[in-house]
Amino acid sequence: EDQVTQSPEALRLQEGESSSLNCSYTVSGLRGLFWYRQDPGKGPEFLFTLYSAGEEKEKERLKATLTKKESFLHITAPKPEDSATYLCAVQTPNSGYALNFGKGTSLLVTP
Amino acid sequence: NAGVTQTPKFQVLKTGQSMTLQCAQDMNHNSMYWYRQDPGMGLRLIYYSASEGTTDKGEVPNGYNVSRLNKREFSLRLESAAPSQTSVYFCASSEADREEHGYTFGSGTRLTVV
Repeated sequence: EDQVTQSPEALRLQEGESSSLNCSYTVSGLRGLFWYRQDPGKGPEFLFTLYSAGEEKEKERLKATLTKKESFLHITAPKPEDSATYLCAVQTPNSGYALNFGKGTSLLVTP
Repeated sequence: NAGVTQTPKFQVLKTGQSMTLQCAQDMNHNSMYWYRQDPGMGLRLIYYSASEGTTDKGEVPNGYNVSRLNKREFSLRLESAAPSQTSVYFCASSEADREEHGYTFGSGTRLTVV
């Protein structure tokens, strides 16, 4: 059974304090690993897709990396507007095009 | 603006009542999905439709039915609502084989069953 585990469940950072969120996965073949951001009361918003180990993608203060067992979302010098829940999801050959989500990491960045 | 539109945004049902959640996308995507999101459980797939005319069960399909009415619309029906179906429901769409663009989610329907 495919599993996606995100850690930590919650993270509080000071503005400017860089950190990383972890997404570990156990799947029978990986088609893609996705990162989403979700603000309270809204639907998830797409950030990145990673396909193979060693791949990296960046967007503003966010950088996503992928290994064969886990993905990291690095947040460099975060700002309060980066506060949100960050969701990781995997897509596998068995799931068709559907995504299997982790439970998310709730990030709070304080001024 | 292009995107996924869900209606209604909020709904309160009594146990045993039925209702249909509506979802429409205007991005000409082939695939559409219904997820539910519960505290501590994350997003769980209910049903999906890889293309017009096809539907498949996800992780938690019991108590739900779906209809892919056309390429734009994908509805979710609760035939006899139960308190366990209290949740936030999200519809999403994607272009198959172009996952680098990710899924586009609607803003959700907050359903309470009393």
